[in-house]
Amino acid sequence: EVHLVESGGGFLQPGESLRLSCAASGFTFSSHAMSWVRQAPGKGLEWVSTISGSGFGTNYADSVKGRFTISRDNSKNTLYLEMNSLRAEDTAVYYCAKCGDDDYPDYTFPYWGQGTLVTVSS
Amino acid sequence: QSALTQPASVSGSPGQSITISCTGTSSDVGNYDFVSWYQQHPGKAPKLMIYEGSKRPSGVSNRFSGSKSGNTASLTISGLQAEDEADYYCCSYAGEYTYVFGTGTKVTVL
Repeated sequence: EVHLVESGGGFLQPGESLRLSCAASGFTFSSHAMSWVRQAPGKGLEWVSTISGSGFGTNYADSVKGRFTISRDNSKNTLYLEMNSLRAEDTAVYYCAKCGDDDYPDYTFPYWGQGTLVTVSS
Repeated sequence: QSALTQPASVSGSPGQSITISCTGTSSDVGNYDFVSWYQQHPGKAPKLMIYEGSKRPSGVSNRFSGSKSGNTASLTISGLQAEDEADYYCCSYAGEYTYVFGTGTKVTVL
C-alpha cells in the first residue's frame, strides 16, 4: 500500500527558510516522479513543483521559482522541498503527491500525503 | 501558469445530475489528454476521481464521468448523493513537469 507522510511544517517569520520532507513507502520510489501541491487556508489547490524519478528533471510554479528547491533521496525513499525567502503568501498546507502508478499515467496524482502546515507570519 | 477556470459553486438536489466545467487554454487542457479531477472533503487530502479526461479509478462510483472538448473539460456527477458534497478540482498537465489546477468548485447537495 502506498503511504506518503509529510513532515517539517511549522511557524516562521517572513524571510526565513524551512525544509519539508515526505517519506514514501509501498512502491519503488525511484521509478516515479513526485510533486508538491499546496493549499492556502480556505483557498484552492496550487501545484508547486515536480521532480522526475531520477531527480534530474524538475520544474516549479512561477510563484516559487528561485526560492524553492525540490529534491529527492532515492536511497531513503524521501522527497524534500527546501523553501527559502518565505513570504506570508506561502502559508499553506503542503501535500506531497505521487505522480502516476502501475495503473495510472505519470500525469496524474493518485496518491497524496496528509499534508503539513506551513505558516509564515510576522 | 494561470489557474484553470471553474464555477465557484454548483448545487443540485439528491438524484439530480450536475456538471462542472474546467476551462483552460491550448497550452494545457487543449494540448494534452491528461486532465484529472479531484474530490476534497473538508480537512482531507484530495482524492482522484477521474484521470485522462474520462477514466475512472477502481473504487470510484460510475456516477462520476468526465469528458473534454477543446480547451474545456467537464465532470458530471449523476444521481447526486449527500456524500458527493465536497470541493472539486480539475488539473491539467502543461508540459515539462508542470501542472495547473482549476480554481475549484464547491458542490452543494440541497
